[in-house]
Amino acid sequence: DAGITQSPRHKVTETGTPVTLRCHQTENHRYMYWYRQDPGHGLRLIHYSYGVKDTDKGEVSDGYSVSRSKTEDFLLTLESATSSQTSVYFCAISRQGGTGELFFGEGSRLTVL
Amino acid sequence: AQKVTQAQTEISVVEKEDVTLDCVYETRDTTYYLFWYKQPPSGELVFLIRRNSFDEQNEISGRYSWNFQKSTSSFNFTITASQVVDSAVYFCALSEARTGNQFYFGTGTSLTVIP
Repeated sequence: DAGITQSPRHKVTETGTPVTLRCHQTENHRYMYWYRQDPGHGLRLIHYSYGVKDTDKGEVSDGYSVSRSKTEDFLLTLESATSSQTSVYFCAISRQGGTGELFFGEGSRLTVL
Repeated sequence: AQKVTQAQTEISVVEKEDVTLDCVYETRDTTYYLFWYKQPPSGELVFLIRRNSFDEQNEISGRYSWNFQKSTSSFNFTITASQVVDSAVYFCALSEARTGNQFYFGTGTSLTVIP
């Protein structure tokens, strides 16, 4: 199994509070991704990173920011959480980027009340 | 526009039946990659297969087989002699050389295998 750890795995928070989800990998893969999974929408890309300090937006990036200061860590921040951000968040890594397969973390379930 | 379409939202089959999950993709690139992932009820996402656009050879892995047809922009997944353990949500995904490192997922097909 790919060494990917997401934390926290479950979080309940209130509207307007900041939230940070962490993704940690031990595979030294260059590419890291944050997806959200919602019923009827499948997996949608929020942000991804192609190296330390190199990030780019995905299709649903509004309301989210990311940072990658080390190869192994990719942080997803909700500056001011809203109920529409209630979702399951998956981190994924890839050695080859778009030409290679993704390996996913176990997911983080976020509930915004 | 949706780049990957999985028109079958839910499918139920009786154990030992064969089942085909459809995936239709849209791209203008000549170089692209197609993937299938499985998400069992436990929630993790598991990689099943990767296929590049230059390799139209069908692939078989045990009870699983994949049919890639560029003429119809489809990458269908067949499970032969289905088992209860095959019950899961299956996602098809696309990445394109032109858009770099992004992956586009379909909305998934939920397969239930009834014992």
